[in-house]
Formats: sequence, C-alpha cells, structure tokens
Amino acid sequence: EAGVTQSPTHLIKTRGQQATLRCSPISGHTSVYWYQQALGLGLQFLLWYDEGEERNRGNFPPRFSGRQFPNYSSELNVNALELEDSALYLCASSLGPSNQPQHFGDGTRLSIL
Amino acid sequence: KQEVTQIPAALSVPEGENLVLNCSFTDSAIYNLQWFRQDPGKGLTSLLLIQSSQREQTSGRLNASLDKSSGRSTLYIAASQPGDSATYLCAVDNNAGNMLTFGGGTRLMVKP
Repeated sequence: EAGVTQSPTHLIKTRGQQATLRCSPISGHTSVYWYQQALGLGLQFLLWYDEGEERNRGNFPPRFSGRQFPNYSSELNVNALELEDSALYLCASSLGPSNQPQHFGDGTRLSIL
Repeated sequence: KQEVTQIPAALSVPEGENLVLNCSFTDSAIYNLQWFRQDPGKGLTSLLLIQSSQREQTSGRLNASLDKSSGRSTLYIAASQPGDSATYLCAVDNNAGNMLTFGGGTRLMVKP
C-alpha cells in the first residue's frame, strides 16, 4: 500500500511569488491535513480537508489556502511568499474525522530567497 | 489552548540502554495521543496511537503509556539501538477540528 506522497520534494521561490504544493493521500483516506514545520517553531497545524471541504484552519493568514479534489488529493497554495514561509510542509491523511490516526508524507521543503 | 511539552529536549545514551521519553499536555480532554518518529529532513512515521480510554500500547520494543488525568504520556524504548536515533514527537488530538498539537520533540542519539 502506497503511503502519503508529496510533490515536489524541494521548491525554491523568491519573495512575493506564489507556491503550490501537492499531496496524494493513502488510498481510502478521505481526510487530508497540512502542517508547517519551520525552524525553531515546531510543527503547526495549517489546514484540514475532508470530503472536499475545508473543515478547520490554524492560525495562519489567508494567503495560505488550499483545496481538496474529488479523488481526495490536495493542494496547498501560498501567495505573496515571505522569507518566514521557508519551512518543511507536511501533509497527512486519515480514514476520516473522529479519532483516526494521521499518517504523514515526507514533506515539501520550501525555500524562499 | 492545548500546550504539549516534551522533556528532555535531547538525550544521548549508549546502545542497549532502556530509556523513557516524557510528554505532558495541559488540557486533559483529549481524544487520543500519538507518538511519532522523525528522521532528519524527513516526514513523520507513526509509532503508536493511544486512545483516551486506553492506558498503554505496545509495539515491539516500544511501549507508550497514557495518564490522561495528570496530562502525561511516556514512551519506553527497550534495548536501544543506533537505528533508534531520531527525533521523537508526541501529539494530542483534542478533536478541536481534528488538528494535532505537537510537542517540541526529543532528539535521541544512541551511540554504538
């Protein structure tokens, strides 16, 4: 069984640009989560999608957005990139809401120059 | 607001030692607690999940316990090996929108 896959592995952008990160969940999983792991800040929850809808978002500005497609894959979009957006972005999936374990991908390393 | 703390932040032990990693959380109204392993530059590997109604879970050389009332969990690693070297993270789910709240992690090094 394939795990959670994320692309690209690395992404280099400059300030003000826009970045798109992609995630494919484990087959059969309907919930997708996005987390940011910035140096010195630990892992912070960004967004949760389930059945195509945004269900919850963390304390991040609106320039962080995303969507979930009918096949349950997901995109995270970050607009007007700032230097502090440099981080490892991790995607996780679960069978659904209600107390299911989350399984993580290897992440996308986003570097802002 | 849930806060999760892990002690110690770093730990270095010789191979073969048994060790305990600690995790504490401020809001005991949790649904579950997960322990993860993260290798440098990589994603998270799920090790154990303990439901709020459970006291412990075991997988191989790993044993995790949960004391919800006191807001504590421990991860016990038996007979440590160099391959166990990694950062160990605990995370709690308050079912506040299914988000996980993570601790800062314990960076473990097991020396041969």
